[in-house]
Amino acid sequence: NAGVTQTPKFQVLKTGQSMTLQCAQDMNHNSMYWYRQDPGMGLRLIYYSASEGTTDKGEVPNGYNVSRLNKREFSLRLESAAPSQTSVYFCASSEAGGPGLAGYGEQFFGPGTRLTVL
Amino acid sequence: GENVEQHPSTLSVQEGDSAVIKCTYSDSASNYFPWYKQELGKGPQLIIDIRSNVGEKKDQRIAVTLNKTAKHFSLHITETQPEDSAVYFCAASQEGQNFVFGPGTRLSVLP
Repeated sequence: NAGVTQTPKFQVLKTGQSMTLQCAQDMNHNSMYWYRQDPGMGLRLIYYSASEGTTDKGEVPNGYNVSRLNKREFSLRLESAAPSQTSVYFCASSEAGGPGLAGYGEQFFGPGTRLTVL
Repeated sequence: GENVEQHPSTLSVQEGDSAVIKCTYSDSASNYFPWYKQELGKGPQLIIDIRSNVGEKKDQRIAVTLNKTAKHFSLHITETQPEDSAVYFCAASQEGQNFVFGPGTRLSVLP
């Protein structure tokens, strides 16, 4: 199993450009998440999808949109990139625990996308 | 909402020594506390977790302790090895809620 995969690994954008970060998981998990990681701030939740067909805002949703394409795939879109969105983005999935889910459980993370907005 | 603080931000130890990382949380309703390890260029990976109905949990060289009264929990790594060098994140959560992560601790194990 590949686990959680993300594309691309690196991306450089100019201010105002748009792009979509792709994420897929092969563990048949119901829930998927998008986080951003900034120095000294840990991981902050952008959006999550507790199940196929549903999406909800996390702690820092402004400037982003998401699509839960099917149970496997969860994409993150930046419509008009800003320098403040320079960060490392992680996708994760889980079967239990997390927002909207019963129980407690591990979140499985992808390798990340390093995004720079000039 | 929940707020998680983590100390120290960086930690250097000699190989074979012990390392301790401490986290404090603000919401007394939080009852699930995982620890994630992030190696360079990779995503975080769960290494150990604890629920509030126990005070300590061990898994080989790593252990986590929880003090609900003081609202803090700690990661203990004994007999550190070079492969323990990484960034460690604590988190606090409760059932059905988001994970709130601490800012991370960069651990360096010196040979």
